[in-house]
Parts: sequence; C-alpha cells; structure tokens
Amino acid sequence: QKEVEQNSGPLSVPEGAIASLNCTYSDRGSQSFFWYRQYSGKSPELIMSIYSNGDKEDGRFTAQLNKASQYVSLLIRDSQPSDSATYLCAVKVSNFGNEKLTFGTGTRLTIIP
Amino acid sequence: KAGVTQTPRYLIKTRGQQVTLSCSPISGHRSVSWYQQTPGQGLQFLFEYFSETQRNKGNFPGRFSGRQFSNSRSEMNVSTLELGDSALYLCASALVTDTQYFGPGTRLTVL
Repeated sequence: QKEVEQNSGPLSVPEGAIASLNCTYSDRGSQSFFWYRQYSGKSPELIMSIYSNGDKEDGRFTAQLNKASQYVSLLIRDSQPSDSATYLCAVKVSNFGNEKLTFGTGTRLTIIP
Repeated sequence: KAGVTQTPRYLIKTRGQQVTLSCSPISGHRSVSWYQQTPGQGLQFLFEYFSETQRNKGNFPGRFSGRQFSNSRSEMNVSTLELGDSALYLCASALVTDTQYFGPGTRLTVL
C-alpha cells in the first residue's frame, strides 16, 4: 500500500462548478497535511495546510481532514480555468523518528470553460 | 522576501559524470529538503538538512549526497550519473519541516 494515494485523473470540471480532490494516507499517526498545486513545467506551490479534523477554508479553497478515515480532501469552489493544474497531496510521515514529507502522485485537474 | 533559488536551472550531462546542484533557501529558513520528480515516480524525497546536519534521508543510493552550509545554502551531488537520474530536482525550504516552499527546480538531463 502506498503511503499517500490520489486518483491520478484527469478530472474535468466545468467552469464555475466545485472541484473535489481526494487523498488517502496509510500512517495513522500522521499529523500534518498539505495541498500543493503544480502547473505544467513549474514547481509545486503550497495552497493549504491542515492539522486538525474538520474543514479549513481559504478563499475558494477548503481542505477537509478526517483522521479516523485517513483521508484529506480539497474542494475548489467556483472553479476557474486558471485552476487547471496537478494537485499534490502531502503528508508528514514519521518512521522510527525519521520524518519526511511524502507526496501522492497528484491529480490532474482540468477546468472546462 | 525572496523565494527559494536554485542553480543551475538546466543541466545536460553524460553517463558516468557527476553533478552538483545548489539551493538557496528563503532567508531565515534553516531546513532544506531535496526531491526528485519524474513522470513515472512523482515527487520522491531525497534528504533533508537542518542546521548543517542531515536530519532525514529517503531511499536513494549513496551516489546521491548533499550538504548544508552555515548560511543554510545547500548543495546536492550526484556521482556516476545514470540515464535514470534524468529528472527535475527540487529543493524546498522551511522554518522547520512542515510548511515547505519549493524552488523552481533544476532540470537534469543525462545522455
């Protein structure tokens, strides 16, 4: 089982609709979760971090964390063509005191005008 | 505040050669992590340096090494290059480990 799993997509969403991106992780002890956006040919940029169960909103973005079910999601409201990118879920994983940020393979999102 | 910078941005090498990549973190950040990104494997963690010490290490062979200087700048070295080392190498800086900010990356091509 991969440490962090995402549906690779592509996920196509009409402009103005809600895009929903999901991520599951295997380390039940993980405490820190991040969403990054990566445009083609560019480096990842941080969108959101979340540490507690529940929702965290920042503008059009909402991150949702459910530690019991070991999943984290990202909702993008009022999707815009500029949101078309690959979205990476990252989880801080601890293994015998060795901590690292582990990334999923990303979900490619396309917003259709 | 200036972001993370990486040099060079593009590099072409041949098999068997070695290469050194450089990363300057955001001012005040003491943690620098290195990642390899390829289309097939995604983003894979190489290692993290904090205050000149390697704090964490991924599952890469010993040909991949790094170091960090007292000003937090970091270098990554790959010796005896193989074709499979062709990738985008990203560094990320953080105050601690959690919230990481990525540089633009170095695109390495091994011929």
